[in-house]
Amino acid sequence: QVQLQESGPGLVKPSETLSLTCAVSGGSISGYYWSWIRQPPGKGLEWIGYIYYSGATNYNPSLKSRVTISVDTSKNQFSLKLSSVTAADTAVYYCARRVATKPMYFFDYWGQGTLVTVSS
Amino acid sequence: AIQMTQSPSSLSASVGDRVTITCRASQGIRNELGWYQQKPGKAPKLLIYGASSLQSGVPSRFSGSGSGTDFTLTISSLQPEDFATYYCLQDYNYPQTFGQGTKVEIK
Repeated sequence: QVQLQESGPGLVKPSETLSLTCAVSGGSISGYYWSWIRQPPGKGLEWIGYIYYSGATNYNPSLKSRVTISVDTSKNQFSLKLSSVTAADTAVYYCARRVATKPMYFFDYWGQGTLVTVSS
Repeated sequence: AIQMTQSPSSLSASVGDRVTITCRASQGIRNELGWYQQKPGKAPKLLIYGASSLQSGVPSRFSGSGSGTDFTLTISSLQPEDFATYYCLQDYNYPQTFGQGTKVEIK
């Protein structure tokens, strides 16, 4: 059974960089797309971006200038960096595995989510 | 970006009711749409992919239909564990976009 676990600081100061890691266990990171998705308190879901195990990335244009997603296949984990954060970046951040093999496209495994609060 | 509009934003229903949630895309997305269920404090869970394919392990009371711009999630007989928020997600292109969610509450 594949499991994903987010980790990182729960509190980040405005203008600083949010950094999270998602550790993947029970399966290899190879062959899949790995995404970050966030959800502000009481609101809906927003796709942040993905990284393919090979290192190819795709980011949401609304965040593209501030987002970097990287992968470490040796550690079976991937990471998110979001720079110049403001209170609007306060959210639960989820990592998820994306299957993208025609005709199947979906997120099948998710982390439990981690709340990141941006505040001084 | 493709906009996904769900309706209703919330509904009240009783156990045993048939429930229908709709999702409309701002442009055609073929059948590349998924439905996810989210309970409070939990990650979303995949129910349906490819507009109508039931994910393994998901009860058969859940079904999906549609193609192009209009999609439907149906729960044939609502069970107590189905009270949750449901989201559609377009998988047609990037950025991937979710509907705003439909909260299913107990009547």
